[in-house]
Formats: sequence, C-alpha cells, structure tokens
Amino acid sequence: AQSVTQLGSHVSVSEGALVLLRCNYSSSVPPYLFWYVQYPNQGLQLLLKYTSAATLVKGINGFEAEFKKSETSFHLTKPSAHMSDAAEYFCAVSGTGQAGTALIFGKGTTLSVSS
Amino acid sequence: NAGVTQTPKFQVLKTGQSMTLQCAQDMNHEYMSWYRQDPGMGLRLIHYSVGAGITDQGEVPNGYNVSRSTTEDFPLRLLSAAPSQTSVYFCASSYADKFNYGYTFGSGTRLTVV
Repeated sequence: AQSVTQLGSHVSVSEGALVLLRCNYSSSVPPYLFWYVQYPNQGLQLLLKYTSAATLVKGINGFEAEFKKSETSFHLTKPSAHMSDAAEYFCAVSGTGQAGTALIFGKGTTLSVSS
Repeated sequence: NAGVTQTPKFQVLKTGQSMTLQCAQDMNHEYMSWYRQDPGMGLRLIHYSVGAGITDQGEVPNGYNVSRSTTEDFPLRLLSAAPSQTSVYFCASSYADKFNYGYTFGSGTRLTVV
C-alpha cells in the first residue's frame, strides 16, 4: 500500500535560513507526489507536484522538491525562509488499486519562522 | 470565483444529531472527495466520487454517508453525530486525470460534537 512519512512534525528556522522539509514515500508503482501548504484556518493549496516529467520540480513561492527514487524521497526546500512561509506542509502520494482514486497524505510538518 | 465552496464554516452539534455538510464546485471536475483532518493525523479520506451517481468508501467511512446526484455537488451526511467526529472536514475536487492536476480544496468546515 502507498504511504508517506514526513520526518519531523515541527521544524523551526530563522528568517533567511534554508528550509528543508522531509518526505519519504512507499509505493509499489511509479508514484505521483505532491506538496501542499495550509495556512491557519484555510484549506490546502498545491505547492508543487511530481508527475515523472522531471526529478527537480519547482513550485510556487520559491519552493522546490527533488524526486530521488533510490532514496524514495521527495524533500521540499526553499533557499531563504520568509515569515510568510510559516504554515503546515503536507506531502502526498498517489494511491493504487481501490485507493488509486485518492491521494494519501502524510501527517504534516508545521514550519515556524522566527525573525 | 471558481473553486470549491463548503458550508457551513463552523458547526456545533449535540451527540446524536444529524447534519449535512455541503460541498459545491464550479470547475466541472469529475472527481470529488471528503477528508477529515485531526491533529497529528494528517488528512484521512472518508468518501469519494469519480462522477455523478458513483461513490465509494475511503479509509474512515463509518458514520458518514454521501451521494452525488450532480457533477457540482457532493454533500456529506453525519447520521448520528458522535464526539469522535469532532474534526475539520475538507472537500476536494479534481479532473479525472487528478494526478496530473492535483486537487482543489475547499476552506473547510470545523465541526464540534458535544
């Protein structure tokens, strides 16, 4: 079965520092992978997605992620954190079989940015 | 504005009451789904639909019913509310080729069952 593990439920960085949010996946077939962001009291917004076209994926707000099949990882990075990046981030993988119609989400990582 | 609209935004229910959470989208998306979000649990799939007249269960379907009579609407019914159903509920929709387009989420319904 497909699954996603997000390492670290809470990550804290200083403004201007590198952001690294970790995501490892388990999939029996080539996966589609997604990162979503959720700001307080809002729905989820798509940051970026991997659909096998390119291993380095660029998304909105300066975020990017690299698909590494050998490491079954899809970590999210941003070179320089901004205060507005403080939010909860979710990694998701495409399901298969009966679950192939749905995305399977990780438990989320809360990013805090301090000045 | 195009998107996914959820109503109500907030709701308090007493144990045993029933209610319907509404979800509507105006993007002609074939696929719609309901998730619940609980602290430390991420999003868990309740029910989903691949088109009008077709629904199926997700990971946590017990205590919930859905129907899909039109492409636009996908209501979620709580049959007899329980405190364990206190959660934030999100509706999401997508084109059939969902993995190439991703989901569009509504802003959520925060439900408290007392």
